[in-house]
Amino acid sequence: KQEVTQIPAALSVPEGENLVLNCSFTDSAIYNLQWFRQDPGKGLTSLLLIQSSQREQTSGRLNASLDKSSGRSTLYIAASQPGDSATYLCAVAHQGGKLIFGQGTELSVKS
Amino acid sequence: DAGVIQSPRHEVTEMGQEVTLRCKPISGHNSLFWYRQTMMRGLELLIYFNNNVPIDDSGMPEDRFSAKMPNASFSTLKIQPSEPRDSAVYFCASRRQGPFSGNTIYFGEGSWLTVV
Repeated sequence: KQEVTQIPAALSVPEGENLVLNCSFTDSAIYNLQWFRQDPGKGLTSLLLIQSSQREQTSGRLNASLDKSSGRSTLYIAASQPGDSATYLCAVAHQGGKLIFGQGTELSVKS
Repeated sequence: DAGVIQSPRHEVTEMGQEVTLRCKPISGHNSLFWYRQTMMRGLELLIYFNNNVPIDDSGMPEDRFSAKMPNASFSTLKIQPSEPRDSAVYFCASRRQGPFSGNTIYFGEGSWLTVV
């Protein structure tokens, strides 16, 4: 059974700092991995999707990497801003379409 | 594009009552997912459909929960009878499933259910 773990559960950093969020999964037979952002009281917004054959994806200040063999992904946020404060979730997909989510990392960026 | 549309956004109901949550996926998407989110358990997949057919309902907690997708533009999640432990945010999500689709999944804003 696939299990997805995110560390840390919560993180507080000063504005401008670069930071890394971690995601690990137990079953490496994944189709893709996605990182999402969730603001309080809102749904999830997809940030980056990495196919199983890819090593990383970049969008603006965000960079996500995938090491399928070790069951790990990281989300790197450069030059963090208060507007980045949210909960970040990773999810792994298997070919049948099922997405399994981690518990999320709650990020607070202080100005 | 209007995105995934869910209704109601908020519902407070008494224990034992029937609850029906509704979802309109993004036009052209052929996969639809129902998730439940709680503080204790995070996001749990309840059921998902491909081309209106239920593929995996192993996450549906018990027989009180049922989901239907009568056509490509509408789905319902029903709880009957509701219990206080069903209180959660219920998300609907959709995706265009296919080899060249990118497989990005899009979520609705959620239905916040409180059973008292």
